[in-house]
Amino acid sequence: QVQLQESGPGLVKPSETLSLTCTVSGYSISSGYYWGWIRQPPGKDLEWIGNIDHIGTAYYSPSLKSRVTISADRSKNQFSLKLSSVTAADTAVFYCARISGSGMYYIDCWGQGSLVTVSS
Amino acid sequence: QLVLTQSPSASASLGASVKLTCTLSSGHTNYAIAWHQQQPEKGPQYLMRLNSDGSHIKGDGVPDRFSGSSSGAERYLTISSLQSEDEADYYCQTWDNGGVFGGGTKVTVL
Repeated sequence: QVQLQESGPGLVKPSETLSLTCTVSGYSISSGYYWGWIRQPPGKDLEWIGNIDHIGTAYYSPSLKSRVTISADRSKNQFSLKLSSVTAADTAVFYCARISGSGMYYIDCWGQGSLVTVSS
Repeated sequence: QLVLTQSPSASASLGASVKLTCTLSSGHTNYAIAWHQQQPEKGPQYLMRLNSDGSHIKGDGVPDRFSGSSSGAERYLTISSLQSEDEADYYCQTWDNGGVFGGGTKVTVL
């Protein structure tokens, strides 16, 4: 049974880079699927950040593309998110997820989420 | 631009049924979606993928009282025999060169 777990600092200063890692167990990220990041500001709705496929090609939300990098470390079965030049508006719970499908893709497994607060 | 529209809230009595709607924007009415449940203070959980013909694939362990159906641009999630633990936010999600989420429906069990 696949499980995903986010990890990283819970507090980041404005203008700095937010970094999170998702550790996947129960499935090799090199074997298939897409692997993605989604965020949810407090009291607000879900927002897609981007995803990476099993060979390492990344795709980003146009609204965040200039600040986001998603990468994978297959030796550790992990994928990571970096969001640069953060502001208070980037405060959110960040979720990693496995994305399934062909043509139409959908999340079929979520991590439990990691709250990141942007504050000095 | 693909947009998913959900009503902000819905309510029903304990043991009753509730039907949630996710509407696909014009030009995308044949798209499949997925439904996700987010209980209070928890992360989302995948419920099912729902196709335009109403066929659906549920996640492991999703109770039988959760079912999906489709009609035109509408995608539905019906929860039968409502339980207290069904009080949650429900999001629909699809794909258009990246993930797209609806605004969510908050379900209250009376």
